Amino acid sequence: AQSVTQPDIHITVSEGASLELRCNYSYGATPYLFWYVQSPGQGLQLLLKYFSGDTLVQGIKGFEAEFKRSQSSFNLRKPSVHWSDAAEYFCAVGAKTGANNLFFGTGTRLTVIP
Amino acid sequence: DTAVSQTPKYLVTQMGNDKSIKCEQNLGHDTMYWYKQDSKKFLKIMFSYNNKELIINETVPNRFSPKSPDKAHLNLHINSLELGDSAVYFCASSISAGPNQPQHFGDGTRLSIL
Repeated sequence: AQSVTQPDIHITVSEGASLELRCNYSYGATPYLFWYVQSPGQGLQLLLKYFSGDTLVQGIKGFEAEFKRSQSSFNLRKPSVHWSDAAEYFCAVGAKTGANNLFFGTGTRLTVIP
Repeated sequence: DTAVSQTPKYLVTQMGNDKSIKCEQNLGHDTMYWYKQDSKKFLKIMFSYNNKELIINETVPNRFSPKSPDKAHLNLHINSLELGDSAVYFCASSISAGPNQPQHFGDGTRLSIL
């Protein structure tokens, strides 16, 4: 069965600093991988996704993520964080067969300080 | 224009009551979902419908009954509400039920049981 681990519950960074949010997954093969962001009081918005091919994927809002098969990881990065990036970030894994059933991690809350 | 809209946004009610949450999407998608997000932000799928047919039915009490009158609507009815039902419920949709289809989320319905 699929599972996702986000080891960091809460991360605080200074505005302008770089950011890396960790995500590890468990799946029998290469899954589909997603990062979503949730702003307070809102639903989840897709930041980026990985299906196959180039292991470095670019997303919206200047985010990127790198798939590393050997580490079963899909970490999210941003070179320079903006105050508006403060939100909850969710990594999710989807199976490559069957219905579109996403398994989410428990999320990482990002705080940005001036 | 709101892509996935849920009503109501907030729902406060007493234990034992029956309530419904409505969801509509104007994206022309074939597939819709209900997720439950608990107090620890853990997001878990409950149901999924594709073209009005149930395709994902996770282990959910049978007090929860989804209904899809057409592929643009997926409502969630909950009977005999319990304290543990307090959560944020998210509706989502995707173009199709394929496993690589990104899901678009509504802003959530925060259900509080007194």
